[in-house]
Amino acid sequence: SQELEQSPQSLIVQEGKNLTINCTSSKTLYGLYWYKQKYGEGLIFLMMLQKGGEEKSHEKITAKLDEKKQQSSLHITASQPSHAGIYLCGAEAGGGSNYKLTFGKGTLLTVNP
Amino acid sequence: KAGVTQTPRYLIKTRGQQVTLSCSPISGHRSVSWYQQTPGQGLQFLFEYFSETQRNKGNFPGRFSGRQFSNSRSEMNVSTLELGDSALYLCASSYDPPGHSSSYNEQFFGPGTRLTVL
Repeated sequence: SQELEQSPQSLIVQEGKNLTINCTSSKTLYGLYWYKQKYGEGLIFLMMLQKGGEEKSHEKITAKLDEKKQQSSLHITASQPSHAGIYLCGAEAGGGSNYKLTFGKGTLLTVNP
Repeated sequence: KAGVTQTPRYLIKTRGQQVTLSCSPISGHRSVSWYQQTPGQGLQFLFEYFSETQRNKGNFPGRFSGRQFSNSRSEMNVSTLELGDSALYLCASSYDPPGHSSSYNEQFFGPGTRLTVL
């Protein structure tokens, strides 16, 4: 089964600093999702990457998919306290009726003002 | 559009009891997936329903079951609760089923139901 490993597990940054979170898959990535979660709450969709080399941005968050490395990275520029939370990557595993979304364990981001 | 809603938000049960959780998807969405989230195991897939049919199931015991109604609302049931079932249960909805080659299979998550088993 596909496994996703996120690094780092937790991250503390000063407001205004840039940061990167990585998500590495044990198998080929076909679709990679990034979500943000406030502790104990639901997941907020950030973006989805489907093709190798694809890069998407939303406000100050940029995500890239490196198909060869089976890895995706999420980069936050000029972090703000509102960026704090748990970032989860999810990947499509299987296909058709065997499809399921597998998630990494998450990266806890703290942004100090 | 209203988002995915889940009821109840919090629930406390004792071992051996059974529980039913409800999920109302975004209007027009046809697929509902359920996930269990715990500190140790993270977010794990339970099952997915599309058009009232269970399409896929994760690696959970038969005590975990679900169903979907004609209006796409879904319920999941856990019988004979165990302490290890304490978790945040999340449901997610999408227009097309996950894995479908379309742009409409993005999953939108509800706020979750926090289940505590004593």
